[in-house]
Amino acid sequence: DIQMTQSPSSLSASIGDRVTITCRASQSIDDYLNWYQQKPGKAPKLLIFAASYLQSGVPLRFSGSGSGTDFTLTISSLQPEDFATYFCQQSYNNPTFGQGTKVEIK
Amino acid sequence: QVQLLQSGVEVKKPGASVKVSCEASGYSFSTFGVIWVRQAPGQGLEWMGWISAYNGDTKYAERVQGRVTLTTDSSTSTAHMELRSLRSEDTATYFCARVGRTLSGSGADYWGQGTLVIVSS
Repeated sequence: DIQMTQSPSSLSASIGDRVTITCRASQSIDDYLNWYQQKPGKAPKLLIFAASYLQSGVPLRFSGSGSGTDFTLTISSLQPEDFATYFCQQSYNNPTFGQGTKVEIK
Repeated sequence: QVQLLQSGVEVKKPGASVKVSCEASGYSFSTFGVIWVRQAPGQGLEWMGWISAYNGDTKYAERVQGRVTLTTDSSTSTAHMELRSLRSEDTATYFCARVGRTLSGSGADYWGQGTLVIVSS
């Protein structure tokens, strides 16, 4: 299976901060990379698909980039509703998820 | 609007089986696939398998292969996940989610609310 490694595992940030989360695949996955946001007790929500495409209804402050093995999720200006855990997921073959990045309030 | 509605909490003994359902509405069920993902308490997300509602093709994660069966019923737009020979480590919230007709390249754009399965003697 393709291993997905996210960093950092957690971070503290303030409202308005620019936040960057990275995800590295153990082999090339082209652009078959998706990002999800999950809040406690809720199902994950798709933010970005195919590495850089914003899912309908997701705020423009979220963006994704990368291809091959290295990917990034960026929140340009952190809002109160963005405090959550973020997961990357490869859909190149049998899906695997990163271990998650918890974004907390500083 | 697209909705996936899952069945309720299950409490099972080790060695038993559980079957979780996921009823879809608001879209053409047979045009998409369904994945199942589980999340143990306080842990990350684990993909369990995928089924095409178009032709019934399936793929399973190696870790649960042989213990899990995914099926769909197009007459009721419902997907089912059966997990057998339950162990305590199967205690988790199980999610269904809609994906594209093929597994590769699809993000899961709509999710069920989750079904808690507790395995305890």
